[in-house]
Amino acid sequence: QKEVEQNSGPLSVPEGAIASLNCTYSDRVSQSFFWYRQYSGKSPELIMSIYSNGDKEDGRFTAQLNKASQYVSLLIRDSQPSDSATYLCAVSYGKLTFGQGTILTVHP
Amino acid sequence: EPEVTQTPSHQVTQMGQEVILRCVPISNHLYFYWYRQILGQKVEFLVSFYNNEISEKSEIFDDQFSVERPDGSNFTLKIRSTKLEDSAMYFCASNRKSSYEQYFGPGTRLTVT
Repeated sequence: QKEVEQNSGPLSVPEGAIASLNCTYSDRVSQSFFWYRQYSGKSPELIMSIYSNGDKEDGRFTAQLNKASQYVSLLIRDSQPSDSATYLCAVSYGKLTFGQGTILTVHP
Repeated sequence: EPEVTQTPSHQVTQMGQEVILRCVPISNHLYFYWYRQILGQKVEFLVSFYNNEISEKSEIFDDQFSVERPDGSNFTLKIRSTKLEDSAMYFCASNRKSSYEQYFGPGTRLTVT
């Protein structure tokens, strides 16, 4: 059974701070990793993809991948109240396997 | 920017009835998926579809479920005899052949009473 684990939170950070979201996965064969943002009642929105070890930056978002530790993380710099959402880690085995999601709250 | 679209946004049906959920994937995408999310739970994979056939399905996708691409644009999910436990958000997703990035539609909220 391929598993993706996330701390469900909630994670609360002040506006302007760095939010750090973590994810572990069970299957070493996995090659593709994604972070989705999901607002309440809405669909998952792709915000980052990462395929190789190291960091990948896109604006305020940085994804980090460590395949040896089977660990993926997402850093959100200069967090804004509009970043408040559930962040879903997903691992691709063709299909996507999702974690439970981490609820992030950014308070002014 | 092209988007995945889904209709209807909300479907209410009685237990035992058939429902068809419709999706229009992004036009140059070749891989299509259905996922569902029961309220408060994980997004779960149901089925993937490529080249006019199912490429993978989950344990959830039993004989009550079927998928079809009736024309060059639509992708449908049919539930033959709905159960109370089928109540969930159903998401359609698609990706290009050269990418694993899947883009999701807005979802259909299915309520079975």
